[in-house]
Amino acid sequence: NAGVTQTPKFQVLKTGQSMTLQCAQDMNHEYMSWYRQDPGMGLRLIHYSVGAGITDQGEVPNGYNVSRSTTEDFPLRLLSAAPSQTSVYFCASRNLRLAGALNEQFFGPGTRLTVL
Amino acid sequence: AQTVTQSQPEMSVQEAETVTLSCTYDTSESDYYLFWYKQPPSRQMILVIRQEAYKQQNATENRFSVNFQKAAKSFSLKISDSQLGDAAMYFCANTGAGSYQLTFGKGTKLSVIP
Repeated sequence: NAGVTQTPKFQVLKTGQSMTLQCAQDMNHEYMSWYRQDPGMGLRLIHYSVGAGITDQGEVPNGYNVSRSTTEDFPLRLLSAAPSQTSVYFCASRNLRLAGALNEQFFGPGTRLTVL
Repeated sequence: AQTVTQSQPEMSVQEAETVTLSCTYDTSESDYYLFWYKQPPSRQMILVIRQEAYKQQNATENRFSVNFQKAAKSFSLKISDSQLGDAAMYFCANTGAGSYQLTFGKGTKLSVIP
């Protein structure tokens, strides 16, 4: 089991460029999500999905698009990168069939994105 | 809406000593869960301990334990016999039972002094 994987690990973009951060999980989890981590801010939810074809916005969705065509993959798209999107991005997944606090989120290793 | 507050941006502890990290939260949910995550310099988020709000007994995982005060909405983490490998950022997090969002505090950076 690879768990949750993210690519790339590091990326530098210029303002206005587009890119897709990749996230995959091999645990057959229904739930997948994207967070951003900024210094002094903790992690904040960008978008999440509870299954293929279903996505919803989190706390900070502006400037990001997502889609979920398969259970395994949940890519995050930046259509026109801005310096304010410089951050560390984490993907996470969760097994919704487990009850209670066993329903923990598993995190990927993160992607450090810099927008110049 | 949920909020999580960690009032100690940085803390330090001598190796082998005990340290307590503070966390308070606010939630409108009647059924919810609380977590402590550790983030070492590798950046990986690692679950340290979890607590279900309906359970009165405080959770314990080896050297890590929590002091869960439901009425005060407090969820502190105690690390006993601190080790150099405990040095990391620690995040407190909260989610409602029916919620899809995990709300994080801003984190506490723990240093362990040899």
